[in-house]
Amino acid sequence: DVKVTQSSRYLVKRTGEKVFLECVQDMDHENMFWYRQDPGLGLRLIYFSYDVKMKEKGDIPEGYSVSREKKERFSLILESASTNQTSMYLCASSPGLNTEAFFGQGTRLTVV
Amino acid sequence: AQSVTQPDIHITVSEGASLELRCNYSYGATPYLFWYVQSPGQGLQLLLKYFSGDTLVQGIKGFEAEFKRSQSSFNLRKPSVHWSDAAEYFCAVVLNTGGFKTIFGAGTRLFVKA
Repeated sequence: DVKVTQSSRYLVKRTGEKVFLECVQDMDHENMFWYRQDPGLGLRLIYFSYDVKMKEKGDIPEGYSVSREKKERFSLILESASTNQTSMYLCASSPGLNTEAFFGQGTRLTVV
Repeated sequence: AQSVTQPDIHITVSEGASLELRCNYSYGATPYLFWYVQSPGQGLQLLLKYFSGDTLVQGIKGFEAEFKRSQSSFNLRKPSVHWSDAAEYFCAVVLNTGGFKTIFGAGTRLFVKA
């Protein structure tokens, strides 16, 4: 089975902190994604990566950055956390950009 | 603009009753179509997908979906709902706009009553 593992289920951070969310997949997928999930808005794409060291902005990249130094690992970075970044963050991977995605269990981030 | 609409924010059905969750998309061509399920506190899991061919597709957990080109719809159905089906369901489309882009609907939360 494909496994996508996010390093934390729950995080509480203070405003202004630098926050790292880590994601690891074990299926050698080329593509990895970070989504933000908010009630009534579905999933919104923050960033994706189609290869090591490659990244593309999604629909809501402001306030976020990403890093992909190894194929299996994709990190989301909140440079200076703000309360409006309180949300559920979902990592996903896929073998192709037009195929199904495999999701991690999510990280619920609260910024206080 | 391309979009995916799930008109029902939440639905309540009785255990054993049939279920239909609606999904409509706005796009000029036929996209790749997916339904995912999210149990509380979990990530999303693929239920089924449609790329081409037979417009009625079978998925896991007894779900099926039918693609109707004329209505730009991809509705999810199950003939008999179980209490364990209570979850949030997301329709998603992958568009080919020079590169592939995935758009998710806002989701429909399913409540199952005994």
